[in-house]
Amino acid sequence: DAGVIQSPRHEVTEMGQEVTLRCKPISGHDYLFWYRQTMMRGLELLIYFNNNVPIDDSGMPEDRFSAKMPNASFSTLKIQPSEPRDSAVYFCASSLTSGGTEAFFGQGTRLTVV
Amino acid sequence: AQSVTQLGSHVSVSEGALVLLRCNYSSSVPPYLFWYVQYPNQGLQLLLKYTSAATLVKGINGFEAEFKKSETSFHLTKPSAHMSDAAEYFCAVSLKAAGNKLTFGGGTRVLVKP
Repeated sequence: DAGVIQSPRHEVTEMGQEVTLRCKPISGHDYLFWYRQTMMRGLELLIYFNNNVPIDDSGMPEDRFSAKMPNASFSTLKIQPSEPRDSAVYFCASSLTSGGTEAFFGQGTRLTVV
Repeated sequence: AQSVTQLGSHVSVSEGALVLLRCNYSSSVPPYLFWYVQYPNQGLQLLLKYTSAATLVKGINGFEAEFKKSETSFHLTKPSAHMSDAAEYFCAVSLKAAGNKLTFGGGTRVLVKP
């Protein structure tokens, strides 16, 4: 398996624009996580899905953020409208159901909002 | 709720010296514990994990960690540092009752001096 695949790797956008980040989890994994990494706040869990259903979105910072998982092989994280403080590295990760199994991370998307 | 504290945001070691990274967790129930490594501009890669089996866990690249319930600790060690160990290291905890979501510590950046 190619691992968790995220696109794009880098995104530069202007404030106010819509940004969509994409993730393809490892085949067969039924958990999918979106994390954000910043210098100030470290790694934060934004939202996670189990079997394509959002389970916990309490980490989503504002209504400007939304995430979907239309099927087992694809998820998106959308920011609309984007703001400079959204600049960060966004990671997608996936894992199996069994407790204690590790999460496998993608390479991340580095988002810069100017 | 679970939490993780990593003591020391930066650690500097000489090549060949012992690497010791400290991690303490807080959890009301037995946790699963993980150490991840992040190289520059990369995603997170699993080093090792504790899932209630042996308390001394061996991982990749010569790293190991010991789970000490009485001290609520899961410190990471490597007997002899190599230049390639320069990276950021994250301790994380998950609970079976909370799905597989990981809660991360703040990270420790390791610098290896020749």
